Amino acid sequence: GDSVTQMEGPVTLSEEAFLTINCTYTATGYPSLFWYVQYPGEGLQLLLKATKADDKGSNKGFEATYRKETTSFHLEKGSVQVSDSAVYFCALKSSGYALNFGKGTSLLVTP
Amino acid sequence: NAGVTQTPKFQVLKTGQSMTLQCAQDMNHNSMYWYRQDPGMGLRLIYYSASEGTTDKGEVPNGYNVSRLNKREFSLRLESAAPSQTSVYFCASSETALAGQMEQFFGPGTRLTVL
Repeated sequence: GDSVTQMEGPVTLSEEAFLTINCTYTATGYPSLFWYVQYPGEGLQLLLKATKADDKGSNKGFEATYRKETTSFHLEKGSVQVSDSAVYFCALKSSGYALNFGKGTSLLVTP
Repeated sequence: NAGVTQTPKFQVLKTGQSMTLQCAQDMNHNSMYWYRQDPGMGLRLIYYSASEGTTDKGEVPNGYNVSRLNKREFSLRLESAAPSQTSVYFCASSETALAGQMEQFFGPGTRLTVL
């Protein structure tokens, strides 16, 4: 079945550091890929998405490229801020109704 | 627009008690979902409703029932709560269920503790 694997957290970075959160997937067909973010005490918000191979999703300085050859969708940001501290979820949707989520990666950015 | 709203925000139950979690969306979406979030597990789908009048089981439906009351509202019921149902519950909605690129919008969650 479909599945998503994310790097284990927590990830702790200093402000202005470069961020990479790895995400790889297993799926049949051609899934759409998503990154969701969950700020403390809140629900999930869509951060970015990509619907086909080689698409790059971007939002708020975050980027991720859909790589079919490596089945990856790594999240990157060039310079993180304290306000980026949150839990980040990689997810995919292929056939069927549900999003398949990774386990989440907690990010803490310190001043 | 309020988006997806959930009530209550917090709830403590004793084993064997029942309760209903309420969810409503004001985006005129056809599809609605209930997920649970447990530490280190990501989110898992409990039930979904692809359209008004239909409901189907997700990955972890045991111990739960749902009702799609109308297009706006989708409730989740625990008939006899168990400690294993201690979790954070999220409701979500989307325009349609099958389109792969369709974003799901999430509510703020209900934190449930079963003693």
